[in-house]
Amino acid sequence: NAGVTQTPKFRILKIGQSMTLQCTQDMNHNYMYWYRQDPGMGLKLIYYSVGAGITDKGEVPNGYNVSRSTTEDFPLRLELAAPSQTSVYFCASSYGLAEETQYFGPGTRLLVL
Amino acid sequence: TQLLEQSPQFLSIQEGENLTVYCNSSSVFSSLQWYRQEPGEGPVLLVTVVTGGEVKKLKRLTFQFGDARKDSSLHITAAQPGDTGLYLCAGGVNTGNQFYFGTGTSLTVIP
Repeated sequence: NAGVTQTPKFRILKIGQSMTLQCTQDMNHNYMYWYRQDPGMGLKLIYYSVGAGITDKGEVPNGYNVSRSTTEDFPLRLELAAPSQTSVYFCASSYGLAEETQYFGPGTRLLVL
Repeated sequence: TQLLEQSPQFLSIQEGENLTVYCNSSSVFSSLQWYRQEPGEGPVLLVTVVTGGEVKKLKRLTFQFGDARKDSSLHITAAQPGDTGLYLCAGGVNTGNQFYFGTGTSLTVIP
């Protein structure tokens, strides 16, 4: 199993551009999450999904959108990139509720200039 | 607003020394997880504690969940260079399917 994979690994965006961060898991997990990690701030939850077709906002959803059309994929969309969205983005998945182990992808480093 | 505060933020020690990392909150959590993250990688789960007062041991690592389920500690005995990394605590709440992560403790063990 590949686990959780994320693409791209690194991207530079200009202010106002849009992009989609891809996330795929092959563990048949129901739950998937998107976090952003800023220096000295730990991880902040952006959006999460408890199953295909179901998504919900986390702590910091503004400026982002998600969709969950399949169990495997959970893409994160940035519509109008802003410098404040410069961060490292992690996708994670788990089998069940929050007490379950979350498996993280390797991350996408995004720089908005 | 940071629900979970970790201390210290940075820690640099010599190989063989002991250390304790703290994770504190004013909120009650249904469970508490500890992760370790190495540069350029995602966090990896070390342990989950769910009962107030619970103590779990993982080789040289000892984890404790506070009696009131508001805080936790991670103690490492005889630290080794391989323990170097960012340690993150994360608290789960009953009302949602999500965890709140702490600010992290960056540990460096010098050979």
